[in-house]
Amino acid sequence: DVKVTQSSRYLVKRTGEKVFLECVQDMDHENMFWYRQDPGLGLRLIYFSYDVKMKEKGDIPEGYSVSREKKERFSLILESASTNQTSMYLCASSGQDSGTEAFFGQGTRLTVV
Amino acid sequence: GENVEQHPSTLSVQEGDSAVIKCTYSDSASNYFPWYKQELGKRPQLIIDIRSNVGEKKDQRIAVTLNKTAKHFSLHITETQPEDSAVYFCAAIMYSGGGADGLTFGKGTHLIIQP
Repeated sequence: DVKVTQSSRYLVKRTGEKVFLECVQDMDHENMFWYRQDPGLGLRLIYFSYDVKMKEKGDIPEGYSVSREKKERFSLILESASTNQTSMYLCASSGQDSGTEAFFGQGTRLTVV
Repeated sequence: GENVEQHPSTLSVQEGDSAVIKCTYSDSASNYFPWYKQELGKRPQLIIDIRSNVGEKKDQRIAVTLNKTAKHFSLHITETQPEDSAVYFCAAIMYSGGGADGLTFGKGTHLIIQP
């Protein structure tokens, strides 16, 4: 059974803090993704990675960075958290072959105060 | 990059009726189109998908159709039941030999099944 696990379910951070969101998958998937989910805006892609140490910007990368040092782990970093980064963050992973399902983590509800 | 438009944003149907959600995409190179269902407080989960070499796919009460020429695809749910109430997301992605681009989602449709 595929498992994508995010390190925290709920997180409260102060403006200006550096924030790390961790995601681990156990299916040896090549592709990993970070999305944020906001009401009325759906799921928006922040960054994705198709291999270790490889990363590509998504639609809204500003204010975020990522790290993929190991295949199973994909980290999202907020260099200096701001209140407009308060959101639900979802990690996902998928295999390399055409038409493979993306599996999602349970989400991290981040509040920046 | 890919742009996916999804309509309607909210859909209310009577239990037992059919529901149709429509999506359009912009990148003709996209070749995989999944649909995800997200129940309140839970993660999105795949319910059905279609590849670009197929025009229609059915799984019990759920079907998806794809029109590559018009670049649109639709989700059809027949005989709707209360447990179908959720937010549904369509998505489009291009898988190439080197892997996948980012999976681009529509904004979602909140499906409400009225008893």
